[in-house]
Amino acid sequence: EPEVTQTPSHQVTQMGQEVILRCVPISNHLYFYWYRQILGQKVEFLVSFYNNEISEKSEIFDDQFSVERPDGSNFTLKIRSTKLEDSAMYFCASGGAVLYSNQPQHFGDGTRLSIL
Amino acid sequence: AQTVTQSQPEMSVQEAETVTLSCTYDTSESDYYLFWYKQPPSRQMILVIRQEAYKQQNATENRFSVNFQKAAKSFSLKISDSQLGDAAMYFCAYRSEYSGGGADGLTFGKGTHLIIQP
Repeated sequence: EPEVTQTPSHQVTQMGQEVILRCVPISNHLYFYWYRQILGQKVEFLVSFYNNEISEKSEIFDDQFSVERPDGSNFTLKIRSTKLEDSAMYFCASGGAVLYSNQPQHFGDGTRLSIL
Repeated sequence: AQTVTQSQPEMSVQEAETVTLSCTYDTSESDYYLFWYKQPPSRQMILVIRQEAYKQQNATENRFSVNFQKAAKSFSLKISDSQLGDAAMYFCAYRSEYSGGGADGLTFGKGTHLIIQP
């Protein structure tokens, strides 16, 4: 069964540095998402992406964040100048091989981001 | 804004027995989707079951079934014949119908840690 894959599994970065988290969504999916989960807290939606542009974003997704689909397969989340509070597990998801909103989202294993 | 509440941080059940995980949500919308995801220690979140709000019939997937009470805004998950492999965090999630064809993110509850006792 096709899977969403994320790299790296763990990223350690100094505060203030830029970090890029990578995801390869399921190939025939149309919608891509990023979520984060701060330790001990609930999973929170960050952003959704469709047709090469952002469709929805939450309040968390401020100017420090950006997403990109640089080629036909990768979907990246960039944090420009990391802060301590960005430490979290970041999940990529993809969904919707067709344009129906009831299609479930398929999640990757996550990238644990640790900011020092 | 929608909220999802899972009031049980942790549940424990004997292997082969039945357990019910509770979930309530708050929304002013009439059309939406509800999901249960499982997150084992390997971290990947796996869809367990989903329910369309317009369907009165409760969804069932093998040993997993839901009790969807729309008026009460309740969406509990029942796991029958619990197995050791069911041990995981279980997240209840909500998604609006009123989205750009699927662009809406999921709203999650805080999760319930399910322990299976051999």
